[in-house]
Amino acid sequence: DGGITQSPKYLFRKEGQNVTLSCEQNLNHDAMYWYRQDPGQGLRLIYYSQIVNDFQKGDIAEGYSVSREKKESFPLTVTSAQKNPTAFYLCASSIGSGGEGSNEQFFGPGTRLTVL
Amino acid sequence: AQKITQTQPGMFVQEKEAVTLDCTYDTSDPSYGLFWYKQPSSGEMIFLIYQGSYDQQNATEGRYSLNFQKARKSANLVISASQLGDSAMYFCAMRELLSGGYNKLIFGAGTRLAVHP
Repeated sequence: DGGITQSPKYLFRKEGQNVTLSCEQNLNHDAMYWYRQDPGQGLRLIYYSQIVNDFQKGDIAEGYSVSREKKESFPLTVTSAQKNPTAFYLCASSIGSGGEGSNEQFFGPGTRLTVL
Repeated sequence: AQKITQTQPGMFVQEKEAVTLDCTYDTSDPSYGLFWYKQPSSGEMIFLIYQGSYDQQNATEGRYSLNFQKARKSANLVISASQLGDSAMYFCAMRELLSGGYNKLIFGAGTRLAVHP
């Protein structure tokens, strides 16, 4: 089945450690996104990528890094520089860029990160 | 700056009744898109319905319809014949076009819907 997978589902990290969240899609989508969701709030964009080897900072990129070496993969690293990393992280993908048509984003199941 | 406002933190509805979830938006772009997503307790975001700013008719998808009032900048979601499985968080979102052909979604804070038997 086509879709987006994220791993792990739950992740615990000690302060000062970097952790990498995995996101893989087999939808053949060009665009991929990372969002952060805090309790009782909407999603905020961390990073996005419209093409391999290219990505852009979103609204809250500080303390995070990404790579896009393959079309299907867009891992997110939460670095020790991120002051408050405990949150729910969602990865998404869409067919492409631009504003025509719905071009909706499809989401993965999410990773819940807790810093101990 | 573009903004999405959902003023209802929580809503209750009786099973089989209809419910309207409010969403207002603010943008200066002449072309934009509006989305509704459902987030059950499992956490994943499920796409429900889309409305383009130039679409002449209100969007409908099964039991979901979008009451789009462009002059009022509102895009309310109407769920007809509510079911217990509709209990979830609902997010309204707007697509913002960026330079270089990129686009991103701006989300509202969400509305928690509880369907009672």
